[in-house]
Amino acid sequence: DVKVTQSSRYLVKRTGEKVFLECVQDMDHENMFWYRQDPGLGLRLIYFSYDVKMKEKGDIPEGYSVSREKKERFSLILESASTNQTSMYLCASSLTGSGNTIYFGEGSWLTVV
Amino acid sequence: ILNVEQSPQSLHVQEGDSTNFTCSFPSSNFYALHWYRWETAKSPEALFVMTLNGDEKKKGRISATLNTKEGYSYLYIKGSQPEDSATYLCAFGGFNKFYFGSGTKLNVKP
Repeated sequence: DVKVTQSSRYLVKRTGEKVFLECVQDMDHENMFWYRQDPGLGLRLIYFSYDVKMKEKGDIPEGYSVSREKKERFSLILESASTNQTSMYLCASSLTGSGNTIYFGEGSWLTVV
Repeated sequence: ILNVEQSPQSLHVQEGDSTNFTCSFPSSNFYALHWYRWETAKSPEALFVMTLNGDEKKKGRISATLNTKEGYSYLYIKGSQPEDSATYLCAFGGFNKFYFGSGTKLNVKP
């Protein structure tokens, strides 16, 4: 069974803290994505990676960075968390090409206080 | 930012009703159109991936159509059941990037 695993389901962090959200996939997928889900706004792409050490900005990259040192792992980093980054974060992966199914993790709910 | 619109935002139907939702997307630079079903507290799961104009896909009581020239896709559910209650997302696939609509939330009452 294919799997995308997000290490933390629920986190509460303080403003200014550095936050790491980890995602691991076991399907040998080239592409990995980080999305943010907010009510009424749909899934918005923060960053994606199409290969190890490669990354591209999505639609809302400000305040975030990413790391992909190994093919199976894609980390989202909030350098200095702010309250407007309180949200649900969804990791996903796929094979190269838009005709391939996207597989999602279960989401990480982050609250910044 | 590429605009993908879904309508309606939410829908309440009775068990046994048939229903449909719309996904609108740009008609240029099209590579694929995806539909996903997202139940509360679970991961979104793929329903269909369509790549050709005129594609029609079916899985049980759920089917989808695609018109890339006019930029829309329909998702149909025949004889809705309470277990169909979920948010249905569509995603426009550009080259190696996906743009999601905000979803249609379906509630099926027994």
